[in-house]
Amino acid sequence: GEDVEQSLFLSVREGDSSVINCTYTDSSSTYLYWYKQEPGAGLQLLTYIFSNMDMKQDQRLTVLLNKKDKHLSLRIADTQTGDSAIYFCAEFSNYGGSQGNLIFGKGTKLSVKP
Amino acid sequence: DTAVSQTPKYLVTQMGNDKSIKCEQNLGHDTMYWYKQDSKKFLKIMFSYNNKELIINETVPNRFSPKSPDKAHLNLHINSLELGDSAVYFCASSQDFRGTETQYFGPGTRLLVL
Repeated sequence: GEDVEQSLFLSVREGDSSVINCTYTDSSSTYLYWYKQEPGAGLQLLTYIFSNMDMKQDQRLTVLLNKKDKHLSLRIADTQTGDSAIYFCAEFSNYGGSQGNLIFGKGTKLSVKP
Repeated sequence: DTAVSQTPKYLVTQMGNDKSIKCEQNLGHDTMYWYKQDSKKFLKIMFSYNNKELIINETVPNRFSPKSPDKAHLNLHINSLELGDSAVYFCASSQDFRGTETQYFGPGTRLLVL
């Protein structure tokens, strides 16, 4: 079945770059997403990338997609303490002819130390 | 002017009770979803409705019954609550269900079953 994997924890110092990695299994995924969840809050869409793109940049965020390896990464430049949160990778999957839904990874908890 | 709202934000109840969680979106979207996030932060889709019709029903006990009175509302009724139902329940909406439209999440309802 479809699956999305992420490392569970990442710790960086303020001002450094953070790179959060994700692998997915459904090669027919059309869109891949990054969501951010701050403590006690809902999910906030950060950015997304269409599967025919290799890279997307949005201010401090850079998304890289390696479709051959089914690998997605999110780079946050100049990481700030306010970036501390859980980051979820998600793919939109029609695996098995299903109607299609978002499959989420387990989330990477990013801790930013001053 | 909240886009996706849920009530209540917190719900503490006894095992065996019946409870409902309400969701409303004012984005004019056609598709709405319910997700469950467990204590390990794993997020999984439960249901999805498009134009008031059920299109996704993952393996969820039939104690959970979604109801969509109109496109802007998707409520979740839970019968005979069990300890394992304790989780955060997120409502989301998108313009359609094809994955080309991003999903916007509500703030979550934190359910604790005692």
